[in-house]
Amino acid sequence: EAQVTQNPRYLITVTGKKLTVTCSQNMNHEYMSWYRQDPGLGLRQIYYSMNVEVTDKGDVPEGYKVSRKEKRNFPLILESPSPNQTSLYFCASSRIFGGTEAFFGQGTRLTVV
Amino acid sequence: KNEVEQSPQNLTAQEGEFITINCSYSVGISALHWLQQHPGGGIVSLFMLSSGKKKHGRLIATINIQEKHSSLHITASHPRDSAVYICAVSLPGNQFYFGTGTSLTVIP
Repeated sequence: EAQVTQNPRYLITVTGKKLTVTCSQNMNHEYMSWYRQDPGLGLRQIYYSMNVEVTDKGDVPEGYKVSRKEKRNFPLILESPSPNQTSLYFCASSRIFGGTEAFFGQGTRLTVV
Repeated sequence: KNEVEQSPQNLTAQEGEFITINCSYSVGISALHWLQQHPGGGIVSLFMLSSGKKKHGRLIATINIQEKHSSLHITASHPRDSAVYICAVSLPGNQFYFGTGTSLTVIP
């Protein structure tokens, strides 16, 4: 089954404790991206990757890192989480950028206390 | 300033009604996407449009590139259509921008 898998689905952590949210797709897609969703603000793009070893900043990259060492994986790293990073996070992939259907992960609800 | 504006923000309809959700954007785009987000939070892609009209079951999406406007129509609405509908645009600069969503409730 074609899918984008995020883990964990729920995470509560403390300020400053490094964490990684994993994202994996099984469709051989080139384009992958991370978004955060906040009430009243909608979805905003954090980082995206056009292909292996190619990543770039989206609208709200501050406080986040990503890597794309393999085509299928695109982890989101929070080196020193802060409470303002409490949000619902989505990973998505598509065959190429923009002109093809996007597939979303199930979401990760992160709370930083 | 939001590159993508949706209306209405909230919509309540009786089962069977015809529903229209509108999306306007202010930038040059590669494509426009309509997404559906159910209360559990998961997001699925309904349509990807770069011109014209697409239909899938009871859902129809249209886009007018000159007017920078798209509509999502739901015919014969059903309670299971209750969800948040999100308009998104992909830009030539490899970025996505999203509307804040339209929350639809269909009452039996």
